[in-house]
Amino acid sequence: NAGVTQTPKFQVLKTGQSMTLQCAQDMNHEYMSWYRQDPGMGLRLIHYSVGAGITDQGEVPNGYNVSRSTTEDFPLRLLSAAPSQTSVYFCASKSTGALRITGELFFGEGSRLTVL
Amino acid sequence: GNSVTQMEGPVTLSEEAFLTINCTYTATGYPSLFWYVQYPGEGLQLLLKATKADDKGSNKGFEATYRKETTSFHLEKGSVQVSDSAVYFCALSDPGTGANNLFFGTGTRLTVIP
Repeated sequence: NAGVTQTPKFQVLKTGQSMTLQCAQDMNHEYMSWYRQDPGMGLRLIHYSVGAGITDQGEVPNGYNVSRSTTEDFPLRLLSAAPSQTSVYFCASKSTGALRITGELFFGEGSRLTVL
Repeated sequence: GNSVTQMEGPVTLSEEAFLTINCTYTATGYPSLFWYVQYPGEGLQLLLKATKADDKGSNKGFEATYRKETTSFHLEKGSVQVSDSAVYFCALSDPGTGANNLFFGTGTRLTVIP
């Protein structure tokens, strides 16, 4: 009963380094998304996808890339990390029916990233 | 645009006290409204939801009513327990995107002491 799985759980980067946060779900959900959580700012949407091959920008997309080659996976790439990207990142998914009929968003446990 | 405003925390209550966490929203369309809860070290999970005006969502003793006239969705519980200690997020969906993306408030940390 895995649900949404994120890796790694913790990561420390130096400014300018690149990395990929992995997200996989086993619920056959069409919709997947990435949020960042910062103190006093709640969760902000970075990118989202409504199906394989389709991605779109959220509120704070700058500095991040995504791709969706399969239904199961939705990696988030930081091409050149900056200290402002220090945050906790959450991947979330929901079922196709929820695209119109709003449904429950299922979250991973989060990935804590520190950029020095 | 869409936005959610929650009461500032943290909130500290004694066990069995009454809880209210205020939430108001701004939306361009007719959003659905949610409360999510985040326990320490975990991701968010849905607590309750309401999809239209005057709907009441309820779960685990928590309740919230979708009030269109006051654009509010306040979370209440009559008697809190230590196990309710968590961060609570109010959120709305945005039907305008076609994907019903969720917009979250800043979160309110609740600590319940025995």
